Amino acid sequence: GEDVEQSLFLSVREGDSSVINCTYTDSSSTYLYWYKQEPGAGLQLLTYIFSNMDMKQDQRLTVLLNKKDKHLSLRIADTQTGDSAIYFCAESGGSSGGYQKVTFGTGTKLQVIP
Amino acid sequence: AAGVIQSPRHLIKEKRETATLKCYPIPRHDTVYWYQQGPGQDPQFLISFYEKMQSDKGSIPDRFSAQQFSDYHSELNMSSLELGDSALYFCASSLTGGNEKLFFGSGTQLSVL
Repeated sequence: GEDVEQSLFLSVREGDSSVINCTYTDSSSTYLYWYKQEPGAGLQLLTYIFSNMDMKQDQRLTVLLNKKDKHLSLRIADTQTGDSAIYFCAESGGSSGGYQKVTFGTGTKLQVIP
Repeated sequence: AAGVIQSPRHLIKEKRETATLKCYPIPRHDTVYWYQQGPGQDPQFLISFYEKMQSDKGSIPDRFSAQQFSDYHSELNMSSLELGDSALYFCASSLTGGNEKLFFGSGTQLSVL
């Protein structure tokens, strides 16, 4: 079955870069996602990468995918206090019938220190 | 742009009561997913529907049932509620055969007392 793992906590200073890491086990993953969840709020899709890509940049966000090692990372440049949240790595693909159910990692709580 | 709408936003029930959660997907999305997120936990997949048929099933208790209607909205029915059912319930929708990204609603916070 699918398994997605992340470190639980990351603390950075405002203005520094944050790097959140994720490993997954399902080699048939099609899409890999990063979701952001602020306290009491829903899941906001930040960015995603297709499995045949190794990098995607979107403004302050850079996603790196090492498919061989099944390792995904999210880099947030110039981290701001508003970036404080829980970040979930997720993957989809390989499920029966092609329906893209998403499996989430455990979430990484990012704390940004002013 | 229209997003996934869930109602109600908050729901308080007592043990052994029933609850119905509603989800309205993004227009033209044909697939709906339900997730349960317990306190401090990652979201767990419950069930999904494609074109009104159940497409996949996860860790959904037998006390829960769900369906997708002709207008593609979905309802999650929960009976004989237990304290452990207290969680944030997310609905997501996608367009199967399209870019297939899942878009999530804001969730329904269910508290069972």
